[in-house]
Amino acid sequence: NAGVMQNPRHLVRRRGQEARLRCSPVKGHSHVYWYRQLPEEGLKFMVYLQKENIIDESGMPKERFSAEFPKEGPSILRIQQVVRGDSAAYFCASSPRDFTQGEQYFGPGTRLTVT
Amino acid sequence: GENVEQHPSTLSVQEGDSAVIKCTYSDSASNYFPWYKQELGKRPQLIIDIRSNVGEKKDQRIAVTLNKTAKHFSLHITETQPEDSAVYFCAAGPGGSQGNLIFGKGTKLSVKP
Repeated sequence: NAGVMQNPRHLVRRRGQEARLRCSPVKGHSHVYWYRQLPEEGLKFMVYLQKENIIDESGMPKERFSAEFPKEGPSILRIQQVVRGDSAAYFCASSPRDFTQGEQYFGPGTRLTVT
Repeated sequence: GENVEQHPSTLSVQEGDSAVIKCTYSDSASNYFPWYKQELGKRPQLIIDIRSNVGEKKDQRIAVTLNKTAKHFSLHITETQPEDSAVYFCAAGPGGSQGNLIFGKGTKLSVKP
């Protein structure tokens, strides 16, 4: 919902640089999910985090990608040594701590362009 | 793991007609099935969802049906309007605090005035 904030909205990086994407969940939400969307394609799950814990990172490449959700502050998706294939829209979503039904609310996304 | 197939990939209808989008899933453990609408350059927005203990759910012009035996669920939009034009994604997941959603590839719906 509108409460999930992501920044920056657009990010341009040269090959080999690092990209840091930030996600602030809806206030009170303690579950964060990161998805990647390539042009004209669906959303691909990357990683699921709760505060200070990575719950499921099965969709995230083992190299160059990392994610964290510290006790204080936003969740960070970090991509090291970016390559052109990393160009995509990265969305995060959040859910409340006690959710039982699975609802996830998406942020506006960060559009990463690697030149 | 879960796999979600969505059809059709594109759908064009006249204003006022109905639109139906279908999805199938593979993991019988999935019990939460949301539908998202994404307008160009914007975030996916949840428009309706259904849980495995319900066969059908309706919200004004939008309805979703679920057949757990056949592992498929569908989105129905009646009396379509030009503002319904967007990409629609279905998804399936275990529900609750157990993890992520697996999305279909999307259906681009065009409603012609």
